[in-house]
Amino acid sequence: EVQLLESGGGLVQPGGSLRLSCAASGFTFSTYAMSWVRQAPGEGLEWVSGISGGGGYTYYADSVKGRFTISRDNSKNTLYLQMNSLRAEDTAVYYCAKDPYGSGSYAGYFDLWGRGTLVTVSS
Amino acid sequence: EIVLTQSPGTLSLSPGERATLSCRASQSVSSNYLAWYQQKPGQAPRLLIYGASSRATGIPDRFSGSGSGTDFTLTISRLEPEDFAVYYCQQYGSSPLTFGGGTKVEIK
Repeated sequence: EVQLLESGGGLVQPGGSLRLSCAASGFTFSTYAMSWVRQAPGEGLEWVSGISGGGGYTYYADSVKGRFTISRDNSKNTLYLQMNSLRAEDTAVYYCAKDPYGSGSYAGYFDLWGRGTLVTVSS
Repeated sequence: EIVLTQSPGTLSLSPGERATLSCRASQSVSSNYLAWYQQKPGQAPRLLIYGASSRATGIPDRFSGSGSGTDFTLTISRLEPEDFAVYYCQQYGSSPLTFGGGTKVEIK
């Protein structure tokens, strides 16, 4: 079965760090670009970051640039998001999302989403 | 950054009725790279439409997308009970990728 499973969310204090993981299964992970999209409680969707299939190209929203780092380990079929200097406004459900094309390059829309992991930044 | 404005914010309709959702961009969306997603409470979004008018795999043909440039529309020809949800548009023609604020389709 094709699926994405996020983990690593939780409660963290402002200024703290957290690393999210997304385990992929059911498809050839290394050939697909991947992304993180977040949704604050009761709000809409916000694209956070993306990475090409090989990991050589990365993309960030201005709101997280310099604080978040996206990476992937294709040998483990896993996507990561390292989040540093966290702020209250980073509180959200973070979704891992798959690009639709197996070319490795970044199309920028998403045909498969995980169920999300909740990150709460609060003292 | 391209700002996407969805209207109306809420659409109250009955099963069997037609739903027309609008997504307007602050500038032209390159190559009509516009997608639509459906999200139900407590669930992840689901891709419905990409390239403004192409249905994703497994999406019923009562869902259709149209438009170009700055004005796009998602139409649900006859609402089924499972279609009541929030719908988001997203442009992927330029960076940063952006989403609209969503339209909630609720049962009247």
